[in-house]
Amino acid sequence: TQLLEQSPQFLSIQEGENLTVYCNSSSVFSSLQWYRQEPGEGPVLLVTVVTGGEVKKLKRLTFQFGDARKDSSLHITAAQPGDTGLYLCAGGSGSSNTGKLIFGQGTTLQVKP
Amino acid sequence: NAGVTQTPKFQVLKTGQSMTLQCAQDMNHNSMYWYRQDPGMGLRLIYYSASEGTTDKGEVPNGYNVSRLNKREFSLRLESAAPSQTSVYFCASIFSGLGGYTFGSGTRLTVV
Repeated sequence: TQLLEQSPQFLSIQEGENLTVYCNSSSVFSSLQWYRQEPGEGPVLLVTVVTGGEVKKLKRLTFQFGDARKDSSLHITAAQPGDTGLYLCAGGSGSSNTGKLIFGQGTTLQVKP
Repeated sequence: NAGVTQTPKFQVLKTGQSMTLQCAQDMNHNSMYWYRQDPGMGLRLIYYSASEGTTDKGEVPNGYNVSRLNKREFSLRLESAAPSQTSVYFCASIFSGLGGYTFGSGTRLTVV
């Protein structure tokens, strides 16, 4: 059974601080996605990485896919209150034709003004 | 607005009652999915439909059935609701296998 472990589960920081969220597995994934979810809403896709070692930047967010495609990280520089939310990583499972994803349990981020 | 529409948004059921959660997408996506979200457990796949006319079980299918009515619509049915099915249910869709999901806004279901 493929599992994704996210850490930390909860993070409370002050505005302006940097943070990193980790997503780890013993399994290889065909792709790795990061989502952000706000209360009462569905998750919204932030990024997809498919190549081992790939790094993608989205403004203050930097995403990295491990060389062996078993882990990923999300780094936020100079966090802002608008970054508050639940961050979920998800790995492509099984045949790429099915589109099935395995989700981590999530990291709740609170950024205080 | 293009996207995934789920109905209802909230529902309270008594143990043993049945209901159908509706999901429709207008993005011409091929694949559709039903997940449930419980605190501390992330999202778990219940059923999916990789293409119109096909459905398959996910990680937690017991107690649920699905119907891919057409390319746009994918419904989830609870035949005899149990308190363990209290959860938030999300429908999602993608165009192709490596695409990112578009999620609906969810159905919060409470079974008493």
